[in-house]
Amino acid sequence: KAGVTQTPRYLIKTRGQQVTLSCSPISGHRSVSWYQQTPGQGLQFLFEYFSETQRNKGNFPGRFSGRQFSNSRSEMNVSTLELGDSALYLCASSLGLAGGLTDTQYFGPGTRLTVL
Amino acid sequence: TQLLEQSPQFLSIQEGENLTVYCNSSSVFSSLQWYRQEPGEGPVLLVTVVTGGEVKKLKRLTFQFGDARKDSSLHITAAQPGDTGLYLCAGEIVEGTYKYIFGTGTRLKVLA
Repeated sequence: KAGVTQTPRYLIKTRGQQVTLSCSPISGHRSVSWYQQTPGQGLQFLFEYFSETQRNKGNFPGRFSGRQFSNSRSEMNVSTLELGDSALYLCASSLGLAGGLTDTQYFGPGTRLTVL
Repeated sequence: TQLLEQSPQFLSIQEGENLTVYCNSSSVFSSLQWYRQEPGEGPVLLVTVVTGGEVKKLKRLTFQFGDARKDSSLHITAAQPGDTGLYLCAGEIVEGTYKYIFGTGTRLKVLA
């Protein structure tokens, strides 16, 4: 069974630009969550999508948005990039039936975004 | 702001030694998970605990959830180089707005 895939793996952008990251969940998984990981703040929850609807949301500004398609693939968009957005962006997929942490999440390898 | 403090932040030990990592918060969690993350990869789930006082064992790893569901510990017996990695706890708070918080992380290095 293929794992969670994220593309691209590495990305370099400049301030003010926007970026779109993609996540393909494990086949059969309907929930996709996005996280930001930085050395200073650690891992922070961005949002979760289930059946094309945002089900949960973390405490990030509106510049961070996402969507999920009917095949459960998800994209995350960051507009007007800032230097502080440099981070490893991880997505995780799960069946999504139970919701929350009791539903095992499988993480992808992440997309390393560098903002110059 | 809910925080999950982990201690120690860094730990370097010799193969065969025992160690304990702590995860503490002032918030009550409905469930808590422990992950291990290796360089270039995403975190991998080790265990989920949901009941206060719960103890779970996974080979040489023992996980405990505090009675009040505010803290947790991970104990590794006879550590091996393969245990090297970043250990993260993550707690779920379901009180009105859903919150899912990761701990600050413990970077463990086991020397052969």
